[in-house]
Amino acid sequence: DAGVIQSPRHEVTEMGQEVTLRCKPISGHNSLFWYRQTMMRGLELLIYFNNNVPIDDSGMPEDRFSAKMPNASFSTLKIQPSEPRDSAVYFCASTVVGSGDTQYFGPGTRLTVL
Amino acid sequence: EDKVVQSPLSLVVHEGDTVTLNCSYEVTNFRSLLWYKQEKKAPTFLFMLTSSGIEKKSGRLSSILDKKELFSILNITATQTGDSAIYLCAVVKAAGNKLTFGGGTRVLVKP
Repeated sequence: DAGVIQSPRHEVTEMGQEVTLRCKPISGHNSLFWYRQTMMRGLELLIYFNNNVPIDDSGMPEDRFSAKMPNASFSTLKIQPSEPRDSAVYFCASTVVGSGDTQYFGPGTRLTVL
Repeated sequence: EDKVVQSPLSLVVHEGDTVTLNCSYEVTNFRSLLWYKQEKKAPTFLFMLTSSGIEKKSGRLSSILDKKELFSILNITATQTGDSAIYLCAVVKAAGNKLTFGGGTRVLVKP
């Protein structure tokens, strides 16, 4: 069974450009999480969805960040315009609401903003 | 504000040594604590703990939770070089399913 799928795996872009990260959760999972990991701040939750509905976006750093989940099998995290301080590894994770708290992480997208 | 603090930040041991990692937390309405191992890529799940005093074991790894003193430990016995990783703990509150992670402990096991 495929795990969480993220694309791209690596992204290098220039400051000011729009960046879109993509995630496909594990089939049957109805809760999806976006995290950002940096050396300075560790692993931080940005936003999560239950049944495609955003539940908590308090971790989204600012208006430049937005996330959508148009259906149960796809989510995007968009940064517009990107800045060098957005450079990080972005992870997507999924789980089944009510089945316990274990989340399954995707391989991550390493974003570098020059 | 919820806090999860892991210690030590990092440690270096030799193969065969035993390692004990600590995770303390301050959260309201605690529900569970999870341990993850992160090597080069994504965190992978190790344990979930919800009750005090019940040890969870998986091979050479074990973990226990103390809900009175608000901490958990992760033990690794007879360490191997493959145990080298960042170990993360996270807590979940009763409402919702959001994980709040600690900063992690980086473990390096030398041959």
